Amino acid sequence: GEDVEQSLFLSVREGDSSVINCTYTDSSSTYLYWYKQEPGAGLQLLTYIFSNMDMKQDQRLTVLLNKKDKHLSLRIADTQTGDSAIYFCAPPGSSNTGKLIFGQGTTLQVKP
Amino acid sequence: NAGVTQTPKFQVLKTGQSMTLQCAQDMNHEYMSWYRQDPGMGLRLIHYSVGAGITDQGEVPNGYNVSRSTTEDFPLRLLSAAPSQTSVYFCAGRTSLTADSPLHFGNGTRLTVT
Repeated sequence: GEDVEQSLFLSVREGDSSVINCTYTDSSSTYLYWYKQEPGAGLQLLTYIFSNMDMKQDQRLTVLLNKKDKHLSLRIADTQTGDSAIYFCAPPGSSNTGKLIFGQGTTLQVKP
Repeated sequence: NAGVTQTPKFQVLKTGQSMTLQCAQDMNHEYMSWYRQDPGMGLRLIHYSVGAGITDQGEVPNGYNVSRSTTEDFPLRLLSAAPSQTSVYFCAGRTSLTADSPLHFGNGTRLTVT
C-alpha cells in the first residue's frame, strides 16, 4: 500500500522561508495534496498539485513535485507566526475507494 | 451549510464502556471516513464508506464499528473502550471518489479512556 514519509519538526524564524518535504511510494497519483492543521482543529486543504506539473505557486506557497524521485515539497515564503501548524502531504494513489493515506505530519514552529 | 460536524468535542470513558461518536455532513459527501490522530503516528484510517450501506475497514479497524444507513451520517462505535483508544478522532468526507476531490474534515473528538 501507499507509504508517505515526512520529517516531524521544522523550526524557522518569522520572515524566513520554510520548506516541508514529503516522499511517497505510489506513483499513480493524479493529484497530490497539502493539508494544514492548526491547534485544536481538523485538517484543511492548503493546496494541491497535478501530477503532470513540476511546480505550482499560490501567493506565498510554492509546491514542487519531482515525480522521478517521488518527492513533494511545500515552500512557504516570508513565514509568519500564523503559519505555525502541522502540515500533512497526502497523495491519493490509484485507489478508487477514495481513501487518503497521510504522512505523520510536519510540525512547523515559527519563532518571532 | 455546516460542512462536517462531529459530536461530542470531548469525551471521557472508563475501560469497558461503549459509546458512539457522531458525524454528520450536509455537503453531499459520497465518501466518508474516520481517522484517529496520535502523537508521532500521524493520521490513521479506521473505517470508510463509499456510499450509503457500504463500509470497509481501513488501517486500524479493530475495536471500532461503523454503519452508513444514510448518506448524511457516519457514526463510529466503540464497543468496549480500552486505554489504547485514547486519541483524537476525525471524521472526513469528500464529494466524489476521484482524486480531484479533497477531503473535508470535522473539528475532531478528543477521547480519553481511563
